[in-house]
Amino acid sequence: AQKITQTQPGMFVQEKEAVTLDCTYDTSDPSYGLFWYKQPSSGEMIFLIYQGSYDQQNATEGRYSLNFQKARKSANLVISASQLGDSAMYFCAMREGLNYGGSQGNLIFGKGTKLSVKP
Amino acid sequence: DGGITQSPKYLFRKEGQNVTLSCEQNLNHDAMYWYRQDPGQGLRLIYYSQIVNDFQKGDIAEGYSVSREKKESFPLTVTSAQKNPTAFYLCASSTQPLGQRNSPLHFGNGTRLTVT
Repeated sequence: AQKITQTQPGMFVQEKEAVTLDCTYDTSDPSYGLFWYKQPSSGEMIFLIYQGSYDQQNATEGRYSLNFQKARKSANLVISASQLGDSAMYFCAMREGLNYGGSQGNLIFGKGTKLSVKP
Repeated sequence: DGGITQSPKYLFRKEGQNVTLSCEQNLNHDAMYWYRQDPGQGLRLIYYSQIVNDFQKGDIAEGYSVSREKKESFPLTVTSAQKNPTAFYLCASSTQPLGQRNSPLHFGNGTRLTVT
């Protein structure tokens, strides 16, 4: 079974509008971390935002926020006021502990969502 | 500026040849990782190292080898045994002390390897 599922291969959004990128995860580890990365066409992976499983509040970083619904095991990324430069691949990733199959420090990645921002 | 340097950006090799991808970091991170990315796929872990002179296989280690002789360097060799080596390779590092779950991975810019 996939640990990280991103069901939207591609998304379009109008410039200046908000967009939500979906991510669901599967783990039995009570203490896990969730990450979102952006990958522009140049290839580098840019860290955007982190949410810990015990965090009481949803994470926010500038225009990025994470809609964390623990019971549903979902961690959707919300980008507000989209910009043309937001066009990229977006990856959701999870870190589990050693006792739950996690390699030390490794992140498990979803297959990504390609976001295209229209002017 | 601190960061991770991968070289070269593009690499072309003939089938049957071994090739080594370079990864150097000046972030003073203990942990380093190699990932492979194929079109339409997420990243898959090849090898990782938590400390000098020690490394562990990831999910898709067959046909690859690594070394960690220095903290700053974690080169990846793609051997002729790797059946489908053409891919985008990303190196990453992390402070990640054991138990600290919130340390992100910092990535290099990647090497695109084409084997014909």
